[in-house]
Amino acid sequence: DSGVTQTPKHLITATGQRVTLRCSPRSGDLSVYWYQQSLDQGLQFLIQYYNGEERAKGNILERFSAQQFPDLHSELNLSSLELGDSALYFCASSRSNEQFFGPGTRLTVL
Amino acid sequence: DAKTTQPPSMDCAEGRAANLPCNHSTISGNEYVYWYRQIHSQGPQYIIHGLKNNETNEMASLIITEDRKSSTLILPHATLRDTAVYYCIVRPLPMNSGYSTLTFGKGTMLLVSP
Repeated sequence: DSGVTQTPKHLITATGQRVTLRCSPRSGDLSVYWYQQSLDQGLQFLIQYYNGEERAKGNILERFSAQQFPDLHSELNLSSLELGDSALYFCASSRSNEQFFGPGTRLTVL
Repeated sequence: DAKTTQPPSMDCAEGRAANLPCNHSTISGNEYVYWYRQIHSQGPQYIIHGLKNNETNEMASLIITEDRKSSTLILPHATLRDTAVYYCIVRPLPMNSGYSTLTFGKGTMLLVSP
């Protein structure tokens, strides 16, 4: 158990819909990272927040957005969903050298 | 722009040492070598990291060559639960702001068999 929690574990939705994935970092961790893992693209970094501010952006689509709240939990919003957005979405948090990953949310877009 | 090269797959007998190689010939002086693993569909798990000295923790040992162009992760007594994809990543140590993302390659699929 990494101490990072993600909800929901599974999400099934239809194309065109919008979903929100939630992440609670380990206690005391200020950084939150979001990653997407699909079969064809592997694990890809999406975006990082540090103490409420966006710090780094990776391969995140414009249809996707994220934010980190004052209590340090983070949400990843995915809109206008397409079939290709089906993937595992991982959140990670860090305090110093290592990133600790949550169990992920499996998103299925039908 | 791959920074590391790993074999796609390796086999290991249970109880034997698993030696996973990684080439990182373009590593910079301020970059560390990190190893993570991912057991099927679970979140990646941090294993170990190092700069130039060999490192050991309760999970594994990391051997880095003197020229730092390659490294080997050693699981001294592999178990069936060590079956996973192992990722070798090079990156700078995060600064105070915590900025230092992980760039995952394809990794090595280690299969530990009875």
